[in-house]
Amino acid sequence: QSVLTQPPSASETPGQRVTISCSGSGSNIGSNNVNWYQQLPGTAPKLLIYSSTRRPSGVPDRFSGSKSGTSASLAISGLQSEDEADYYCATWEDSLNGWVFGGGTKLTVL
Amino acid sequence: EVHLLESGGDLEQPGGSLRLSCVASEFTFNDYAMSWVRRAPGKGLEWVSSISGTGGSKNYADSVKGRFSISRDNSKNTLYLQMNSLRAEDTAVYYCAKEASLVVGASYFDYWGRGTLVTVSS
Repeated sequence: QSVLTQPPSASETPGQRVTISCSGSGSNIGSNNVNWYQQLPGTAPKLLIYSSTRRPSGVPDRFSGSKSGTSASLAISGLQSEDEADYYCATWEDSLNGWVFGGGTKLTVL
Repeated sequence: EVHLLESGGDLEQPGGSLRLSCVASEFTFNDYAMSWVRRAPGKGLEWVSSISGTGGSKNYADSVKGRFSISRDNSKNTLYLQMNSLRAEDTAVYYCAKEASLVVGASYFDYWGRGTLVTVSS
């Protein structure tokens, strides 16, 4: 069981918008920033969103992040086939003194 | 461009040991905390261990505490993970990841290596 809860899967058609949720608690999301990582099949993870809402250079503005209380969300608009990947939220867990990841969400672009 | 190259993954028997290495380039290595993150077959990402830029602070996941040891040689721009008392559940691809800060847990993983496969099986 992951400390952070994500839906195991999500799907949507090209051009549409999808949102992936990440639920935690006061000792993780409630008191720390959330980061999102994208892992395309057979590749290393890649930073997608950091500090809950910020995009690294090179990440399209179709990707956006938000955080409220002990939950966070990743939104992807204008879905493209190349967005098919596993998406993970992550944050620092104060009680464990370590990083925690969500279980991951497998996104399918229909 | 930042580059991280892991090595040392192999097939090892339960109870055995392995040492993973990660050679870093194109950034000032000792200015940044570094971590190991793994992904077991059919599972998601799992944080394993982190070390501060100076090497003075180390953190471990409960699943590896007492069996794994993280270290770094800043003169060689290299991160290590000594893995002892290996178990079948340690089977995974192990990624080296750079944090965007000197101290552990203060930022995010901004660069990742391609990973090295560790298989624990008799």
